[in-house]
Amino acid sequence: GIQVEQSPPDLILQEGANSTLRCNFSDSVNNLQWFHQNPWGQLINLFYIPSGTKQNGRLSATTVATERYSLLYISSSQTTDSGVYFCAVELDFGNEKLTFGTGTRLTIIP
Amino acid sequence: KAGVTQTPRYLIKTRGQQVTLSCSPISGHRSVSWYQQTPGQGLQFLFEYFSETQRNKGNFPGRFSGRQFSNSRSEMNVSTLELGDSALYLCASSLFASASYGYTFGSGTRLTVV
Repeated sequence: GIQVEQSPPDLILQEGANSTLRCNFSDSVNNLQWFHQNPWGQLINLFYIPSGTKQNGRLSATTVATERYSLLYISSSQTTDSGVYFCAVELDFGNEKLTFGTGTRLTIIP
Repeated sequence: KAGVTQTPRYLIKTRGQQVTLSCSPISGHRSVSWYQQTPGQGLQFLFEYFSETQRNKGNFPGRFSGRQFSNSRSEMNVSTLELGDSALYLCASSLFASASYGYTFGSGTRLTVV
């Protein structure tokens, strides 16, 4: 099956710093999503991004489908950005199964 | 509008027992998927239901089963619980049978097997 790897596994930053999280996937995909898992366990969708670049406030994401990777950028980090970030891929349209990456645990220190 | 509601939030069960978890999707969403999250295996797909039919199943033993009702609410059942079934169980609902349409997760049910 498809492999989805994320790096780094852990990241500790000072408040105000910028960060880049990476997601590599081993096969072509129909869609890619980025999620933030909050301390209560809920997964919050950040981006649907099968290709190209999207921005939402301090967050932006870029997916280069031909090279099978995606990047999530967080600028001017805040303590509320702490948590685990997952990328997840949908292999085929109409196949609702998501294959999740290994996650990046981000800790923002005040 | 109300989000995806999972009940109960926490559950403690003994090995060998069975458990039923419930998921109420966002109003109008007809698709419900279930995932298991453990520290060792990460997030793994369990199964997906659309219009009361199971469309997809992950690589889990037959002790894991589910169903979906006509109002789109879904339940999953785990029989003969094992210690390794301790996990956060998450469900997600979407408008259509694709994770690309408003895929929204609930807060999960944390199951502890002792």
